[in-house]
Amino acid sequence: AQKITQTQPGMFVQEKEAVTLDCTYDTSDQSYGLFWYKQPSSGEMIFLIYQGSYDEQNATEGRYSLNFQKARKSANLVISASQLGDSAMYFCAMREDNQGGKLIFGQGTELSVKP
Amino acid sequence: NAGVTQTPKFQVLKTGQSMTLQCAQDMNHEYMSWYRQDPGMGLRLIHYSVGAGITDQGEVPNGYNVSRSTTEDFPLRLLSAAPSQTSVYFCASSYSPTGSTDTQYFGPGTRLTVL
Repeated sequence: AQKITQTQPGMFVQEKEAVTLDCTYDTSDQSYGLFWYKQPSSGEMIFLIYQGSYDEQNATEGRYSLNFQKARKSANLVISASQLGDSAMYFCAMREDNQGGKLIFGQGTELSVKP
Repeated sequence: NAGVTQTPKFQVLKTGQSMTLQCAQDMNHEYMSWYRQDPGMGLRLIHYSVGAGITDQGEVPNGYNVSRSTTEDFPLRLLSAAPSQTSVYFCASSYSPTGSTDTQYFGPGTRLTVL
């Protein structure tokens, strides 16, 4: 079974609008972390935001926020006020405490921002 | 800090050749790992290390060897390259060996083609 599922292979958003990228996860661990990474066309993996399983508040980092719904096992990334430079692949990933620190990735969502 | 560095950036091999992908970090991170990224897929874990002298297999370890003689370096060896190993390889590191709360930082990647 997929541990991390990103159901949107591609998304379009108008510049300056907000967009939500979906991520659901599957774990029986109580302690885990959820991460979002951005991969622009240049290929590097850029860390965006992190949410711990015990964190009661949703994580925010500038224009990025993580909509964490623990009971539904979802960790959606919200990008506010999209910019052209946000066009990239976005990966959701999970790290479980009892799995030796391994990071498990979803298949990614390609976001295109239109001017 | 240079962060996580990888060499080479690009490499072309013939089937059956061997080579070593280099990875180094200057952040005194205990945890290091190697991933491969194939088209249309997220990253998959090849091998990882929770500290000097300790390594373990990830999801796709066949055809690869690793060693960790120092905290800073974590080379990945391809023993006899095959076309199926054509991929982009990322090295990553994080401070904590097992903590789910610890962000992993990625190197710039090595694009490997096996003919």
